[in-house]
Amino acid sequence: AQSVTQPDIHITVSEGASLELRCNYSYGATPYLFWYVQSPGQGLQLLLKYFSGDTLVQGIKGFEAEFKRSQSSFNLRKPSVHWSDAAEYFCAVDASSNTGKLIFGQGTTLQVKP
Amino acid sequence: GAGVSQTPSNKVTEKGKYVELRCDPISGHTALYWYRQSLGQGPEFLIYFQGTGAADDSGLPNDRFFAVRPEGSVSTLKIQRTERGDSAVYLCASSPSRGNTEAFFGQGTRLTVV
Repeated sequence: AQSVTQPDIHITVSEGASLELRCNYSYGATPYLFWYVQSPGQGLQLLLKYFSGDTLVQGIKGFEAEFKRSQSSFNLRKPSVHWSDAAEYFCAVDASSNTGKLIFGQGTTLQVKP
Repeated sequence: GAGVSQTPSNKVTEKGKYVELRCDPISGHTALYWYRQSLGQGPEFLIYFQGTGAADDSGLPNDRFFAVRPEGSVSTLKIQRTERGDSAVYLCASSPSRGNTEAFFGQGTRLTVV
């Protein structure tokens, strides 16, 4: 069965420091992969997505992610974190033949220290 | 409207009661999804509509849960004989077509069963 694992439940970084959030997936075919962000009281917002092509994907708010098939990973990165990036981050895979049905990871809560 | 609208934003109900949760998708979006997010977890897929029909209801936990989308726009998630374990945030998302596109999420309905 398809699954998504986010190994880090909670991460704290200092403002201005770099960030990497890990995501590993289990899926038989080439996956469609997504990163969403959820701020308190807000809906899920798409940061970026990978369907095919260039394995380094640029997203909104200065985020990027790299698809590595050999490692079954799709890690999210940002060179310099801002206090407003504090939120919960979810990695997701399109579970079934491009229907848009998503399987989400457990989420990583990001705390930013001043 | 400008985004996916879910009503009510909060619902408290007594165990055993019936509840209806409403989702108003972005105008023109043919695909509509319901997810359930329990505390500390990522969203879990419940059901997916393409137009008026439920294309995939494999995520509905049992027959107490039912969803409709009679005119291919607004959808209602119905829960009969609510149980305390049904307490969660119920998220709705819509997209212009199935897969390969961004799903836009509403802010969710927080259901508490007491």
